[in-house]
Amino acid sequence: KNQVEQSPQSLIILEGKNCTLQCNYTVSPFSNLRWYKQDTGRGPVSLTIMTFSENTKSNGRYTATLDADTKQSSLHITASQLSDSASYICVVSAHNAGNMLTFGGGTRLMVKP
Amino acid sequence: ETGVTQTPRHLVMGMTNKKSLKCEQHLGHNAMYWYKQSAKKPLELMFVYNFKEQTENNSVPSRFSPECPNSSHLFLHLHTLQPEDSALYLCASSQETAGATYTQYFGPGTRLTVL
Repeated sequence: KNQVEQSPQSLIILEGKNCTLQCNYTVSPFSNLRWYKQDTGRGPVSLTIMTFSENTKSNGRYTATLDADTKQSSLHITASQLSDSASYICVVSAHNAGNMLTFGGGTRLMVKP
Repeated sequence: ETGVTQTPRHLVMGMTNKKSLKCEQHLGHNAMYWYKQSAKKPLELMFVYNFKEQTENNSVPSRFSPECPNSSHLFLHLHTLQPEDSALYLCASSQETAGATYTQYFGPGTRLTVL
């Protein structure tokens, strides 16, 4: 069964600090992995997408890594800002599933001043 | 904004009411989706439409009835819902469903409360 597990479930950090969110998956055969950011009361917005051959992808202060061997990904946020407070969702798709996605439960990040 | 709009943004309804959720995308995409997002649970795919044809019904109860009159509009008709159906309902679109590299763009969602 395809599954995506994220940790921690929630995280509180001070503004300006860095943090790393984790994603482990069992989706097979692997096609790609996305990180989405979902602000409260809004829909998810794509941050990064990585295929099997990519092991790192950056989008501003967000850097995602992928280890396809261990089936793990991380999202690193540098110099956090108050606007980074949101849920971060890891989403994995399989080759044989069209555009069907397996969603993780998300990590709820709160950045405090 | 993502180019996907949803109305209403908030909806409170009784179990005997009939209501509809509307989604419109301005991206020229051919695939549209309905998702349910309950508290502390991953997003659950409900329905998929590709070129106006339903290609996926993820074992959704018949009290939820989707309608896709064209590639830009998607509706979710609701009737005789249960309190456990209270959730955020998200609409998304993508260029097509075939090929997992197409990014899905999400609307802001409709927060539904069933009394």
